[in-house]
Amino acid sequence: AQSVTQLGSHVSVSEGALVLLRCNYSSSVPPYLFWYVQYPNQGLQLLLKYTTGATLVKGINGFEAEFKKSETSFHLTKPSAHMSDAAEYFCAASLTGGGNKLTFGTGTQLKVEL
Amino acid sequence: DAGVIQSPRHEVTEMGQEVTLRCKPISGHNSLFWYRQTMMRGLELLIYFNNNVPIDDSGMPEDRFSAKMPNASFSTLKIQPSEPRDSAVYFCASTLTPLSYEQYFGPGTRLTVT
Repeated sequence: AQSVTQLGSHVSVSEGALVLLRCNYSSSVPPYLFWYVQYPNQGLQLLLKYTTGATLVKGINGFEAEFKKSETSFHLTKPSAHMSDAAEYFCAASLTGGGNKLTFGTGTQLKVEL
Repeated sequence: DAGVIQSPRHEVTEMGQEVTLRCKPISGHNSLFWYRQTMMRGLELLIYFNNNVPIDDSGMPEDRFSAKMPNASFSTLKIQPSEPRDSAVYFCASTLTPLSYEQYFGPGTRLTVT
């Protein structure tokens, strides 16, 4: 079955440390891939997306993600975490046969500590 | 430009009452999605519309839930009768066209059923 998997429901990093949030997808055809961020009591906001072309995509707030077809992954990274990055992050994919709906992962709560 | 607008932002009601949630997509957008988010079940797609036509309602929990989109600028999600297990945050999102995957989310409606 097609799916999106986020490893680690909670990730904790120190301020200034590397942020790495993992996302893998299962699909027979490489999908379009997205990362969304949700701050407390807010809706989801698009961080970045991969459709075609360059496999390393840059988003807002210094985040980037790399599409690796061989690993069916789309991990999100940021070189240096900031306290304001604390939020929940969702990976999403357009899976085949799903029309234009997105399949979301279960989310990763990022905590940034001093 | 205004984003996706949802009303009310908060709703508290008693079990058995009818609840109507409202959504105004971004002007010019032609696809609309309704989601429910809870701690236990995460983010769930309830139903989505393309050009005001329901495309996939397989996520609607049961007959107590219904959704309509009478025109391109307005949609409702109704729960009748409401139950405490319906307590959740309900999000609406829209995309530009039925071929677009980039979803723009509203701020959500927090529903509490007592």
